[in-house]
Amino acid sequence: DTGVSQNPRHKITKRGQNVTFRCDPISEHNRLYWYRQTLGQGPEFLTYFQNEAQLEKSRLLSDRFSAERPKGSFSTLEIQRTEQGDSAMYLCASSLFGKRPTGELFFGEGSRLTVL
Amino acid sequence: DQQVKQNSPSLSVQEGRISILNCDYTNSMFDYFLWYKKYPAEGPTFLISISSIKDKNEDGRFTVFLNKSAKHLSLHIVPSQPGDSAVYFCAARTEYGNKLVFGAGTILRVKS
Repeated sequence: DTGVSQNPRHKITKRGQNVTFRCDPISEHNRLYWYRQTLGQGPEFLTYFQNEAQLEKSRLLSDRFSAERPKGSFSTLEIQRTEQGDSAMYLCASSLFGKRPTGELFFGEGSRLTVL
Repeated sequence: DQQVKQNSPSLSVQEGRISILNCDYTNSMFDYFLWYKKYPAEGPTFLISISSIKDKNEDGRFTVFLNKSAKHLSLHIVPSQPGDSAVYFCAARTEYGNKLVFGAGTILRVKS
């Protein structure tokens, strides 16, 4: 059983460039989440998918952010026209909805974005 | 608005003693509460949870207590070990079970 995999682990980019992160969830998990974590804060919810459907988006997710989960497997998170305020750790998590009543999420190791 | 708060940014404890990490919440509709542990350069990993209808859950050295009237929960680690040194996040599951809301975390340092 492989865990949640995220790529790249670290991305350094210049302001105004576009970046894309990929998340491969645990294979049988039907829910996939994106969270963002900045220094000294806990993970903040961005969006989640159930299979291929994006069911909820946080108001933190500006129109420069887009997430997809084609075919209900891996997901991508794209940030267009990056700003320095986008610098953060982007965490992906997955779960098998309905299987575990606690709502436990399994997290990947994160993709750290640094915008210069 | 911060629905889950961890007011202690850090805690230092001697090896073998008890560590108590605290968490307060504001939304009475949360139905599960979870604790996650995070080491540097790793994602958070699940530690222990408690249903809102319980007041205590124990798993080995880890016990979580829930006081619904005070909207407060705590994680007790006994005995504390140096390997427990990490950031601990309190999280709460929203009604309908759609997502987890996290606190800001508490850095626990266990000194040997």
